[in-house]
Amino acid sequence: KAGVTQTPRYLIKTRGQQVTLSCSPISGHRSVSWYQQTPGQGLQFLFEYFSETQRNKGNFPGRFSGRQFSNSRSEMNVSTLELGDSALYLCASSLGPFSGANVLTFGAGSRLTVL
Amino acid sequence: AQTVTQSQPEMSVQEAETVTLSCTYDTSENNYYLFWYKQPPSRQMILVIRQEAYKQQNATENRFSVNFQKAAKSFSLKISDSQLGDTAMYFCASSSQNSQGGSEKLVFGKGTKLTVNP
Repeated sequence: KAGVTQTPRYLIKTRGQQVTLSCSPISGHRSVSWYQQTPGQGLQFLFEYFSETQRNKGNFPGRFSGRQFSNSRSEMNVSTLELGDSALYLCASSLGPFSGANVLTFGAGSRLTVL
Repeated sequence: AQTVTQSQPEMSVQEAETVTLSCTYDTSENNYYLFWYKQPPSRQMILVIRQEAYKQQNATENRFSVNFQKAAKSFSLKISDSQLGDTAMYFCASSSQNSQGGSEKLVFGKGTKLTVNP
């Protein structure tokens, strides 16, 4: 069974650009969550999607957005990149909030560097 | 709001020895879950162990076990017979249903860097 797949694994952007990160969940998983990991702030929750609906959102500016498609794949977008957006972006998938399992499986992450 | 605190930024242990990582949390929820995740240098976050708050029995997974003290809001991880492959960042996390009853959002601690020495 394939795990959570995140693409691209590494990317370098300059300030002011935008970036789109992709996440393919484990087959059968309908919930996808995104987290930002930085040395200073640690792991912070960005968003959570289930059945194409945003269930929850973290405390990030509107430059951070996301969506989920009918096949459960998810994308997140960051517009007008700032140096502070440099981070490892982790995606996690699960069966969903009503499965009772409450177990998230993480991908390897997308390492974004903003110059 | 939930908070998770890991007070040990770094720890080391000799191979085959036992080590305990500390975690305290705060939540106003009655129904919540607690987790320990491991993140080796390769970066893939792996679930080590999961505890449901309403279960009094401490969770165990092979060499990994927890000491869940609900009243003290403490959730420590014990690793027995430490192996070189246990070297990693360990994150304690909590999760509870949001007001809409449909979120699995995790709140993480800052992590403990564990080094297992040969």
